[in-house]
Amino acid sequence: DAKTTQPPSMDCAEGRAANLPCNHSTISGNEYVYWYRQIHSQGPQYIIHGLKNNETNEMASLIITEDRKSSTLILPHATLRDTAVYYCIVRVAFGNQFYFGTGTSLTVIP
Amino acid sequence: EAGVAQSPRYKIIEKRQSVAFWCNPISGHATLYWYQQILGQGPKLLIQFQNNGVVDDSQLPKDRFSAERLKGVDSTLKIQPAKLEDSAVYLCASSEQGFDNSPLHFGNGTRLTVT
Repeated sequence: DAKTTQPPSMDCAEGRAANLPCNHSTISGNEYVYWYRQIHSQGPQYIIHGLKNNETNEMASLIITEDRKSSTLILPHATLRDTAVYYCIVRVAFGNQFYFGTGTSLTVIP
Repeated sequence: EAGVAQSPRYKIIEKRQSVAFWCNPISGHATLYWYQQILGQGPKLLIQFQNNGVVDDSQLPKDRFSAERLKGVDSTLKIQPAKLEDSAVYLCASSEQGFDNSPLHFGNGTRLTVT
């Protein structure tokens, strides 16, 4: 079962930062936070994951609060191609449970 | 690196017919997953393989769905007989080990329509 809560939809202006929140208040100490996105008619695409420290890669940054009960995915300069459904997933370390929720539909507006 | 390959891309069948989907994971990936994604919902895990053994099939409707990964590489998912509610996209994913926090990599899925 999904252990995360995300807003169903968000808008962001092109060129601005998109900040997508995720609540995972029941997260355990050994559970990772993963982010994926899904563009229409494609499979989910891996973006980033982290345990407790903030993470950054070429696609995005992941900010995890100190109590680890929530996180934010940041797309620093959103483009129209970033329009997609974004999923936040909590996964037990070295575990096999990888469950998706309903995600946030992000629309980047020109 | 080649991604996860799935076929067919689309399939239309009538209810009570049978259908099979094929998945070829990324080379060297030991863990393979099948997900079902109904329109407007997130993907739902059906079954997970580690090499050729089943790790988790708790959400697989075993009265009509079956899956195999005989040689620990390719996998097939079968539905027999299909129902209208099986209309969905069937996604295959793979990861290096499955128990090492390596991310899942997904194929683009097979869109099944049952009429």
